[in-house]
Amino acid sequence: AQSVTQLGSHVSVSEGALVLLRCNYSSSVPPYLFWYVQYPNQGLQLLLKYTTGATLVKGINGFEAEFKKSETSFHLTKPSAHMSDAAEYFCAANAGNNRKLIWGLGTSLAVNP
Amino acid sequence: DGGITQSPKYLFRKEGQNVTLSCEQNLNHDAMYWYRQDPGQGLRLIYYSQIVNDFQKGDIAEGYSVSREKKESFPLTVTSAQKNPTAFYLCASIGGLAGGQGTGELFFGEGSRLTVL
Repeated sequence: AQSVTQLGSHVSVSEGALVLLRCNYSSSVPPYLFWYVQYPNQGLQLLLKYTTGATLVKGINGFEAEFKKSETSFHLTKPSAHMSDAAEYFCAANAGNNRKLIWGLGTSLAVNP
Repeated sequence: DGGITQSPKYLFRKEGQNVTLSCEQNLNHDAMYWYRQDPGQGLRLIYYSQIVNDFQKGDIAEGYSVSREKKESFPLTVTSAQKNPTAFYLCASIGGLAGGQGTGELFFGEGSRLTVL
């Protein structure tokens, strides 16, 4: 069965430090992969997605993620954290044709001044 | 601007009452979804609909009902049978042909927070 695992439910970084949020997937076929961000009491917004082609994907707000098939990973990074990056981040995968996403449980990112 | 509109944003309900959450989209998307979000549990799928007049149960459909009479609308009713309805509810949609193999990218509404008193 497909699954998505986000390592670390809470991550705390200092402003200006590297942000690294981890996501691993389990799938028999290469999936489409997504990172979403959610601010308090709001819906989810797409940060970036991997479908096919280039494995390093750039998204909004300076985030990027790299699809590594050998490691079944799709980690999210940002070189320098900003206070406005504090939010909940969700990794998701779609490896089937039923258009149902499989979700990780989310990682709450705190950015300290 | 195109998007998904959920209403109300906040809703309070007494135990034993049914409530209906509205979800309207003007993106011309075929498929629509309802998720429930609880702290630490991520997003759990309640119901989804890939085409008008058709819908399927998700992982936690018990105590909920939906209808899809129009492409633009996918209301969710939280019935009195739902034992723990206090949660944040998210509606989403996907474009492309119904049943087709899209990328699965979801577009979300702003959510509705239901509190049972």
